[in-house]
Amino acid sequence: GIQVEQSPPDLILQEGANSTLRCNFSDSVNNLQWFHQNPWGQLINLFYIPSGTKQNGRLSATTVATERYSLLYISSSQTTDSGVYFCAVEGAGNKLTFGGGTRVLVKP
Amino acid sequence: SQTIHQWPATLVQPVGSPLSLECTVEGTSNPNLYWYRQAAGRGLQLLFYSVGIGQISSEVPQNLSASRPQDRQFILSSKKLLLSDSGFYLCAWSVSRAGEAFFGQGTRLTVV
Repeated sequence: GIQVEQSPPDLILQEGANSTLRCNFSDSVNNLQWFHQNPWGQLINLFYIPSGTKQNGRLSATTVATERYSLLYISSSQTTDSGVYFCAVEGAGNKLTFGGGTRVLVKP
Repeated sequence: SQTIHQWPATLVQPVGSPLSLECTVEGTSNPNLYWYRQAAGRGLQLLFYSVGIGQISSEVPQNLSASRPQDRQFILSSKKLLLSDSGFYLCAWSVSRAGEAFFGQGTRLTVV
């Protein structure tokens, strides 16, 4: 099946800093999503982005499907950005495959 | 608008007891439905998915089963829980193949 790798696995930021999270996948995809898992475990949809670039406030994402990667940018990070960020992709099958996540800690 | 309900939020069950977790979706018809498990706080593993009533695909051999008795209802079950069944279980839905997926709030299961 399709493989999804996220980097870095852990990220510590000072409040106000910018950061880039990366998601590599091993095959062509029909769907790619970024999620933020909050401390209560809930998965919050950030972006549905099988290709192209999207922005939502301080967050933006770019997927280059032909090169099989996606990037999530966090600008002017805040303590509320802390949590685990997941990339998930859907290839030929009928299911989302998740990466291992990037655990982000934003310090005040 | 569409919403997904999953309950209970937390559950503590003894080894060998049965399990039934329920997930329902409102505001859409014929959704794709999924059960995921997350262990150790990272990485979600797909357990089951369903594209219609009575249609269940299992991703990994395990002590669990799933059923879809109604269009918008997805149930995760076990006849006898094992310690290794502990984890965070999440239900999700999407409107179609390759459509955006949305998750419920999850059930934290502890088997003791």
